[in-house]
Amino acid sequence: AQSVTQLGSHVSVSEGALVLLRCNYSSSVPPYLFWYVQYPNQGLQLLLKYTSAATLVKGINGFEAEFKKSETSFHLTKPSAHMSDAAEYFCAVSFNAGGTSYGKLTFGQGTILTVHP
Amino acid sequence: ETGVTQTPRHLVMGMTNKKSLKCEQHLGHNAMYWYKQSAKKPLELMFVYNFKEQTENNSVPSRFSPECPNSSHLFLHLHTLQPEDSALYLCASSLGPGLAYEQYFGPGTRLTVT
Repeated sequence: AQSVTQLGSHVSVSEGALVLLRCNYSSSVPPYLFWYVQYPNQGLQLLLKYTSAATLVKGINGFEAEFKKSETSFHLTKPSAHMSDAAEYFCAVSFNAGGTSYGKLTFGQGTILTVHP
Repeated sequence: ETGVTQTPRHLVMGMTNKKSLKCEQHLGHNAMYWYKQSAKKPLELMFVYNFKEQTENNSVPSRFSPECPNSSHLFLHLHTLQPEDSALYLCASSLGPGLAYEQYFGPGTRLTVT
């Protein structure tokens, strides 16, 4: 079965430091991959998505992610963390399930990012 | 209003009550979704509607009853809920049901069942 794993339920960085949030997936077919962010008491907001074009995807707020097929990974990075980046981040994968083509998203467990001054 | 809106934002109900959650999207999308977000669990897809037709019911108990009168509105009717149903219920929409379409989420309804 297809699945998504986010390594590390909590990540803590200092302001200005590199942010790296890890996501690995398992799929027997090419996936579509997404990163979403959720601020407290809000819904999910799309950061970026991979749809088999460029393997390095740039998103909003300075985030980017690289699709590595050989490693089945789609890690999210940002060169310099800002206090406003503190939130929960979700990796999600969309698969062609059983011949249907609808966008059934499978989400990872989420990673809470804390940014220290 | 823009994006995806949900009402109410907070709801407290007893186990014998009947209530409804409402979702409205102002994006011209054709697919709508209900998700359940519980503490320490991944988001769970509950229902998918495409052009008003239900295309997915992810083994959701019958005490949750969705309704999609048109492509812009989605309801979740609740009755005889259990305390374990307390969660954040998120509505989402996408341009189409295809794999590559990103989903846009509403702010959610925080449901507490007492």
